Parts: sequence; structure tokens; C-alpha cells
Amino acid sequence: NAGVTQTPKFQVLKTGQSMTLQCAQDMNHNSMYWYRQDPGMGLRLIYYSASEGTTDKGEVPNGYNVSRLNKREFSLRLESAAPSQTSVYFCASSEEGKGLLGYTFGSGTRLTVV
Amino acid sequence: EDQVTQSPEALRLQEGESSSLNCSYTVSGLRGLFWYRQDPGKGPEFLFTLYSAGEEKEKERLKATLTKKESFLHITAPKPEDSATYLCAVREAGGGNKLTFGTGTQLKVEL
Repeated sequence: NAGVTQTPKFQVLKTGQSMTLQCAQDMNHNSMYWYRQDPGMGLRLIYYSASEGTTDKGEVPNGYNVSRLNKREFSLRLESAAPSQTSVYFCASSEEGKGLLGYTFGSGTRLTVV
Repeated sequence: EDQVTQSPEALRLQEGESSSLNCSYTVSGLRGLFWYRQDPGKGPEFLFTLYSAGEEKEKERLKATLTKKESFLHITAPKPEDSATYLCAVREAGGGNKLTFGTGTQLKVEL
């Protein structure tokens, strides 16, 4: 089925470890996004990529880096994980220029930093 | 200052008991208001986009409406399968395709 695929689904890290969250979409969308979701805080934008080759900071970028590898893939890297980064991470994609159809989200990565 | 505020935080309904969820927003120029449904352990699923005050969209038992300051998601004769968290988000003029989300309303529909 077409959509947004995120890996891994679950991950436990120790403080200071690094990891990369992977995201791929097969809908030929230009824009891709990384959000984190915390109880009582809603979805907050970490980084986004309006098109291949461009990335921009969102609301909560500190402690994260991203790479738009190609049109399909957008990865999120935690260089030195901290307990405050325990969250559920969602990748999303959207199409520009065809009306505001909203995002398509992946199923999320549940990350725990101990 | 919150741009998107949803109320109530949680709502419990009996099957068939209609109600409304509220999303109030404060943005300088609205380029779209979005409703999503999120089931536990899953990503949000797109429901509706509303562009201008007075617009309405319907899907099964759900109807979304928009004014200049808020949006309502009306649920008519809900069923247990409508239980989910409903998220509201706005796209602001000059903000590109970025969405700002509210914290959601957790809806529970009981038999």
C-alpha cells in the first residue's frame, strides 16, 4: 500500500547513544516532515524539507539533525540521545500545488531514552 | 501564545449521543484548517481541510465547520468505532506547508 514507512517502530537508547530514524514515502510528494508527539504537548515540528535538497528547522530542532537523501527519503538523527528526547516520532509527507490536502503520516517510532 | 486550542481535552459519549468538538485558532492569515483522527499507536489520519469561513465538509457521521475564529467537528449519532483522538491543525499564510497542531480531543463512545 502507498504511504509513509518509518523504521524502526520501537527503540530503546541509553543516554548519549546515537541513532537514525528512517522515513520513506512512495507518493512522489515534494515535502516531508518530522514531528514529535508528547502527552499534553501535541505534535511539534522538528524539521521539514519543502523539496529535495532543502531542509529547515521547525519548532523544536535542538538535538536533532536531518538528511533529505532523495525525494523519497528523509531521515532524522539523534547524535547524543537525552531522556528529554523520549517521545513518539512521526514522519509525514505532503504534496504542494494540488490544494491543501493535508499530510500523510507514518505509523510512528516510539523512542525511549534511559 | 497557543495558536491552536482544542476543547474539551476528553469527551465521553453514549452511542447515539451527538456532540461537537471545538478548535479555536489565532493566526494572522489562515491558509487551511485540518482535522485528523488518531487511533492509539497509529499516526494521524487525514479527515478534512477547510479553507474559508462558512465552509462545511462531511464524512459519514462527521461534519466539520469553520468560522473566522474556530472550527467545530460535529459527531452525529456516534458509534464505538468513532472512539479516537481528534486533532486540529492550521496552516498559516507565510508558513509554507507547515502545520501547527492542537493537543487534541480524546473521544470515547460507549455502548
